[in-house]
Amino acid sequence: NAGVMQNPRHLVRRRGQEARLRCSPMKGHSHVYWYRQLPEEGLKFMVYLQKENIIDESGMPKERFSAEFPKEGPSILRIQQVVRGDSAAYFCASSPLRDREGSNYGYTFGSGTRLTVV
Amino acid sequence: SQKIEQNSEALNIQEGKTATLTCNYTNYSPAYLQWYRQDPGRGPVFLLLIRENEKEKRKERLKVTFDTTLKQSLFHITASQPADSATYLCALAPGTYKYIFGTGTRLKVLA
Repeated sequence: NAGVMQNPRHLVRRRGQEARLRCSPMKGHSHVYWYRQLPEEGLKFMVYLQKENIIDESGMPKERFSAEFPKEGPSILRIQQVVRGDSAAYFCASSPLRDREGSNYGYTFGSGTRLTVV
Repeated sequence: SQKIEQNSEALNIQEGKTATLTCNYTNYSPAYLQWYRQDPGRGPVFLLLIRENEKEKRKERLKVTFDTTLKQSLFHITASQPADSATYLCALAPGTYKYIFGTGTRLKVLA
């Protein structure tokens, strides 16, 4: 069981370029969540996806950010025209079913992608 | 506004002692609360979940309490070891998937 796989681990982009962050959930998990962690700040929810569906993207900036989780392949978080303020650690988590009361487990997180915009 | 507070100062304790970390929240009515461990450069790792109708939950050397009247959770590590040194995050789930995380408390266990 390889866990949640994120790549790349580190990504450096110049201002104005595009960043693509990939996340493969744990085997058997069909729900994916993306969080962003800025230095000295807590993890902030961005988007929740199921296969081929965006369930909740309320935490994602309306401009420049998009996410998908296709039927085949990893989930992708895409940031267009990156700016310095996008520099952060982006974490993906997965779960086997939609969180609900009675669940005795939390998310399984990947190791994150550290995006640096120069 | 909704707020989760964890002690932002690092906690240093001697090996073998009990470490106690605090998570306070305001303006939430969470269905349950979770604790995670995060090591530098790594993603958070789930440790324990406690529901609003549970007062206490234990797992090996870990114990979590949840007081919905005080709006507080305490996280204890007994017989602490240097390997327990990490940042510990609490996360609230107000009944949905959208967990709200605290900024974490850095614990250092001194040998």
